Amino acid sequence: GAVVSQHPSRVICKSGTSVKIECRSLDFQATTMFWYRQFPKQSLMLMATSNEGSKATYEQGVEKDKFLINHASLTLSTLTVTSAHPEDSSFYICSARPLDRDYSPLHFGNGTRLTVT
Amino acid sequence: AQSVTQPDIHITVSEGASLELRCNYSYGATPYLFWYVQSPGQGLQLLLKYFSGDTLVQGIKGFEAEFKRSQSSFNLRKPSVHWSDAAEYFCAVGARQAGNMLTFGGGTRLMVKP
Repeated sequence: GAVVSQHPSRVICKSGTSVKIECRSLDFQATTMFWYRQFPKQSLMLMATSNEGSKATYEQGVEKDKFLINHASLTLSTLTVTSAHPEDSSFYICSARPLDRDYSPLHFGNGTRLTVT
Repeated sequence: AQSVTQPDIHITVSEGASLELRCNYSYGATPYLFWYVQSPGQGLQLLLKYFSGDTLVQGIKGFEAEFKRSQSSFNLRKPSVHWSDAAEYFCAVGARQAGNMLTFGGGTRLMVKP
């Protein structure tokens, strides 16, 4: 159980376009999901906390107008990279924790490799 | 603020040899501690976690980790490494409040020699 599905796994887009990444909890509900960014050969850096039914909380230095987060339901959060630039190319990973399990760890999606040309 | 340090960026071991990956954390209270493994281009898979109780925790794939409060450490061990263990390993710390985000260490890349 506790599967997190992330889609797409890979996406290539042109500069200036927008890309939407979906994160779904398949067999549990999550009021909170987290979006991480990982540069090559580096660790995961938290970008934002996605809260169901309310605004996301962004980490310092993350542009909220560039990285739009929507948490429309207890099983779906989306990250939209707007007006993408080559420096936005990265590996984006979402995570979530089951709502009703206090001691459950975060479960991660398989990530999305974004390449902006 | 919480932080995690993994002192070893790369480690190479021979297949069948024992392994220890180091993790030190900084946190103001008793933390949740985790080890995750990541294969290239993939997401993270949980190996094991420590919340409370027995400080030696067993995980999947034959891994274990020991929480040492006095040393602020949570080192990952495996008695005999298999070639399929080659991957990136991340130690992470989180607050005890439910649903809190994790802070990750920089990762340790494990290579296994035949």
